[in-house]
Amino acid sequence: DTAVSQTPKYLVTQMGNDKSIKCEQNLGHDTMYWYKQDSKKFLKIMFSYNNKELIINETVPNRFSPKSPDKAHLNLHINSLELGDSAVYFCASSQEEGSEYNEQFFGPGTRLTVL
Amino acid sequence: GEDVEQSLFLSVREGDSSVINCTYTDSSSTYLYWYKQEPGAGLQLLTYIFSNMDMKQDQRLTVLLNKKDKHLSLRIADTQTGDSAIYFCAEKSGGSYIPTFGRGTSLIVHP
Repeated sequence: DTAVSQTPKYLVTQMGNDKSIKCEQNLGHDTMYWYKQDSKKFLKIMFSYNNKELIINETVPNRFSPKSPDKAHLNLHINSLELGDSAVYFCASSQEEGSEYNEQFFGPGTRLTVL
Repeated sequence: GEDVEQSLFLSVREGDSSVINCTYTDSSSTYLYWYKQEPGAGLQLLTYIFSNMDMKQDQRLTVLLNKKDKHLSLRIADTQTGDSAIYFCAEKSGGSYIPTFGRGTSLIVHP
């Protein structure tokens, strides 16, 4: 009965590779997000997406792209991985329409290590 | 500067009260939040406060909001070792549904 799930939990790969992280939510939420948490625990929003719009943090390199096959999934594709991409990536979801305080529900995170 | 600021570390003795502070800059903030992140896990909402309130209490947790000074605090009474985690302050303004998070305060509880 996991609310927000991500796969894989750990991802170790070589520089220059292309990889994807999958995210699924079974909460029926209308909005999903990707965050990057660096080694100092700073949490940075990368994307938010609902069926109306994709909001991209302008500081995110265009090697990162979100893809949403349906309302319950928001996958993160990363091309040409760099050492600085090593971090923990969190998926989250929330219900924006008709919601009062917009609680965000986070997945368990994917620890990406680029060698 | 950052929109939401917190001190990075707080160390307390088990049984004492912990107070984690946060300041923010957006005067149009509507909701302010405290999220907890345990090791190896994602963030979980602990509590939140609407901007027209100045205090909210929930069992061992007390949230105080000083809107004039844009200062938010989280007090944990009778702190336990299980409270050791990173606590993130976040705020959301009426113009955006995406909250802005602080850098997190690592709470260390020692016996």
